[in-house]
Amino acid sequence: NAGVMQNPRHLVRRRGQEARLRCSPMKGHSHVYWYRQLPEEGLKFMVYLQKENIIDESGMPKERFSAEFPKEGPSILRIQQVVRGDSAAYFCASSPLSRGGPDTQYFGPGTRLTVL
Amino acid sequence: AQTVTQSQPEMSVQEAETVTLSCTYDTSESDYYLFWYKQPPSRQMILVIRQEAYKQQNATENRFSVNFQKAAKSFSLKISDSQLGDAAMYFCAYRSMFRDDKIIFGKGTRLHILP
Repeated sequence: NAGVMQNPRHLVRRRGQEARLRCSPMKGHSHVYWYRQLPEEGLKFMVYLQKENIIDESGMPKERFSAEFPKEGPSILRIQQVVRGDSAAYFCASSPLSRGGPDTQYFGPGTRLTVL
Repeated sequence: AQTVTQSQPEMSVQEAETVTLSCTYDTSESDYYLFWYKQPPSRQMILVIRQEAYKQQNATENRFSVNFQKAAKSFSLKISDSQLGDAAMYFCAYRSMFRDDKIIFGKGTRLHILP
């Protein structure tokens, strides 16, 4: 059973370009979370999605950032018109459908975004 | 809102010795999960240990154990017989038990292992 997959692992963009980060959850997992890690910081929650639904986007900047988790295919975190402050590691985690028990989130290897 | 505080930005320990990493948290909830994650230079987030707040017994995973003090809202990690491969950033984290919710992380403690 493959783990959470993220691609690309490294992404370089110039200011003003768009960044698209992809996350394929573990097989059977229907919940996806995106986190951002700035240099020398802990991970900060951005958005929580289930298939075709955004459940909680309270941690996501209101402008330029969007996320989706379509019925088919990976979850996408999209950053429009990137700025230098967007440079960070972006982690995706997935968890299985809740049955009231502990739902461990499994993390992908992250995408390191560098904005020049 | 819940918060997680790690007051030790960096720590060092001699190989084969024992080290304890500190963590405190704040919450008004009575049931929740607490975690320690390890992030080596590869940046992969690795779950080290998990504690359910309703359990009084401290969790243990091989050389890793926790000291969970619910009243004090303290959750420290003890690493016994430290090994070079333990060198990493360690993050303490919190998650509500009743919502399929986000994990809240501390800022981390960088652990150095001295040969």
